[in-house]
Amino acid sequence: KAGVTQTPRYLIKTRGQQVTLSCSPISGHRSVSWYQQTPGQGLQFLFEYFSETQRNKGNFPGRFSGRQFSNSRSEMNVSTLELGDSALYLCASSLTAGTGIYEQYFGPGTRLTVT
Amino acid sequence: TQLLEQSPQFLSIQEGENLTVYCNSSSVFSSLQWYRQEPGEGPVLLVTVVTGGEVKKLKRLTFQFGDARKDSSLHITAAQPGDTGLYLCAGVNFGNEKLTFGTGTRLTIIP
Repeated sequence: KAGVTQTPRYLIKTRGQQVTLSCSPISGHRSVSWYQQTPGQGLQFLFEYFSETQRNKGNFPGRFSGRQFSNSRSEMNVSTLELGDSALYLCASSLTAGTGIYEQYFGPGTRLTVT
Repeated sequence: TQLLEQSPQFLSIQEGENLTVYCNSSSVFSSLQWYRQEPGEGPVLLVTVVTGGEVKKLKRLTFQFGDARKDSSLHITAAQPGDTGLYLCAGVNFGNEKLTFGTGTRLTIIP
């Protein structure tokens, strides 16, 4: 079974621009979560989508948004990019939502650099 | 805000030695997971512990969930260079299933 895929793998953007990242979960997984990973803050939860609905949200500004399509694929968008948005953005899918276990299967990430 | 503190933050030891990584919180979790992340890749799930006091073994790795479900430990026996990586614990919150990740332990095994 194919793993979680993320595109693009690397991205360089300028302050003020916007960016869209894409994630395809493991077949059959309906839950998709997004995380931001930086050396200073570690791995921080952005939001989670389940059956096209946002189920959970982390403490990030409204410039960070996401959506999920009927085939479970997900996109996240960051508008008005800031230097501090430079990070590894990770997508994870899960089969076991609703069981209290919620194991995450991560993609390789998208490395975003804002200049 | 729930926090998961891992210690040590960095650990560099010789091949063949034993080590323990700790994951501590003041919050109770419904389950706790351990991941390992290598450079340029996403974290990979190693184990999930669900019951307070539970011990799980994965070859040379032993994972324990605290009795009160607030903390966990990872013990590696006879460490090998392939164990090098960033180890992350993650607690699953009751009710909303949000994952809270620990601060991470960067482990380096020297051949």
